[in-house]
Amino acid sequence: GQNIDQPTEMTATEGAIVQINCTYQTSGFNGLFWYQQHAGEAPTFLSYNVLDGLEEKGRFSSFLSRSKGYSYLLLKELQMKDSASYLCAVPTDSWGKLQFGAGTQVVVTP
Amino acid sequence: DTGVSQDPRHKITKRGQNVTFRCDPISEHNRLYWYRQTLGQGPEFLTYFQNEAQLEKSRLLSDRFSAERPKGSFSTLEIQRTEQGDSAMYLCASSHDRGTTNEKLFFGSGTQLSVL
Repeated sequence: GQNIDQPTEMTATEGAIVQINCTYQTSGFNGLFWYQQHAGEAPTFLSYNVLDGLEEKGRFSSFLSRSKGYSYLLLKELQMKDSASYLCAVPTDSWGKLQFGAGTQVVVTP
Repeated sequence: DTGVSQDPRHKITKRGQNVTFRCDPISEHNRLYWYRQTLGQGPEFLTYFQNEAQLEKSRLLSDRFSAERPKGSFSTLEIQRTEQGDSAMYLCASSHDRGTTNEKLFFGSGTQLSVL
C-alpha cells in the first residue's frame, strides 16, 4: 500500500519562497505528481517526477529522491494567487489511479 | 478543448434519496475516473473506465454506488439511499491513455453533495 505525508499548512509572504515536503512509502514506485487545488475548484497538474533530481518549470520546481522516499515542491516569488492546496500523489497499480496526500494549504500574505 | 465538465455543481438531498451526477470528459480522452474528496483531505479513488469498460472499483464504493459510461463518452455516478457520510465533493477526471508513466489527470470542478 501507499502512505503519503505532507504538512497541513504553510504561511509565507508575497515574494518569498516556500518549500512543501512530501514523504511517501510505496510498494512499487511509478513516479510522483504534484497538483494545485484552489478552494472549490478542480485540482490542476503541476509536475511529475520519476527520476531523482530537480525539475524546474518557471516559478515552480519539484525535486525527487527515490532512495529517501521524498519529494518537495518549491514555489518561488510567491504571488497571492498561489494561495491554494498543494497535493502530492503517487500512482498505485494503474496509471491514473492515484493515492493523494491530504494536501498542504499554502497561505500567501501581503 | 473545453475541459472536464460536471453537473450539477451542488446537490442537496435528504437522507435516503437517490442522486445522480454526470461527467463529460475531454472528448479525445478514453479514460475516465471518479474520485471523492472530503474537506481537508486529498481525493480518494472510487472507480475508473477505459472507454465503456469499468475496469476497477475501490472498496470505498459500496453497493449503493454505481457508475456507468455508456458508449465510452459521458459517465454517470449514482448513489442510492444516500447517507450523511456520503456528503463530499465528487470529482471526475479524464486522461488519454498513452501507455506512459506520466499520464496526467484533468479534473472537473466536482459536484458538492450535501446529505441532510
